[in-house]
Amino acid sequence: AQTVTQSQPEMSVQEAETVTLSCTYDTSESDYYLFWYKQPPSRQMILVIRQEAYKQQNATENRFSVNFQKAAKSFSLKISDSQLGDAAMYFCAYRTYNNNDMRFGAGTRLTVKP
Amino acid sequence: DSGVTQTPKHLITATGQRVTLRCSPRSGDLSVYWYQQSLDQGLQFLIQYYNGEERAKGNILERFSAQQFPDLHSELNLSSLELGDSALYFCASSADTYTGELFFGEGSRLTVL
Repeated sequence: AQTVTQSQPEMSVQEAETVTLSCTYDTSESDYYLFWYKQPPSRQMILVIRQEAYKQQNATENRFSVNFQKAAKSFSLKISDSQLGDAAMYFCAYRTYNNNDMRFGAGTRLTVKP
Repeated sequence: DSGVTQTPKHLITATGQRVTLRCSPRSGDLSVYWYQQSLDQGLQFLIQYYNGEERAKGNILERFSAQQFPDLHSELNLSSLELGDSALYFCASSADTYTGELFFGEGSRLTVL
């Protein structure tokens, strides 16, 4: 069974600083997707970034980037120049190519201090 | 706006009652997923439908059932409700391509008193 583990229940960062959220996963598949979703207080689930396992290059989206280590089954999210609006729950997620369900980690609550 | 519509947004009911949550996927998406998020917890996968047929099942209780209709909208039925069923229920949809991401609705917040 595929599992996703986020070992940091809470993280805090100073505004304009950089923070890294950790995620590990367990799978026997070789092809899959990994995601980071953001859930602000509004509770809406918002896609932050996506990585396809066959791609060696780490995905980036503006201030958000990932460090994907396939052999180590690690997928961390780096947020640069943190902003107050980045404060939210962040969920790491995994999904196989066969279009079945997406599995989520327990989440990391990020606080951004002004 | 993700394009996924869920109704109702909020629902308050009593133990033992039955409710139906409705979801309209993004235009063209064939897959619909239901997730349950209890207070300050992660998302638990309940069930997936693809073009009207059940595709995958997660930790869905026997008191819960779902279906996807020919127009691709889906309904999640929750019966014999218990206090512990209070949660945010998300519907998500995905395209029939290998983009992988799910598009989430705003959720239906169910409170059982």
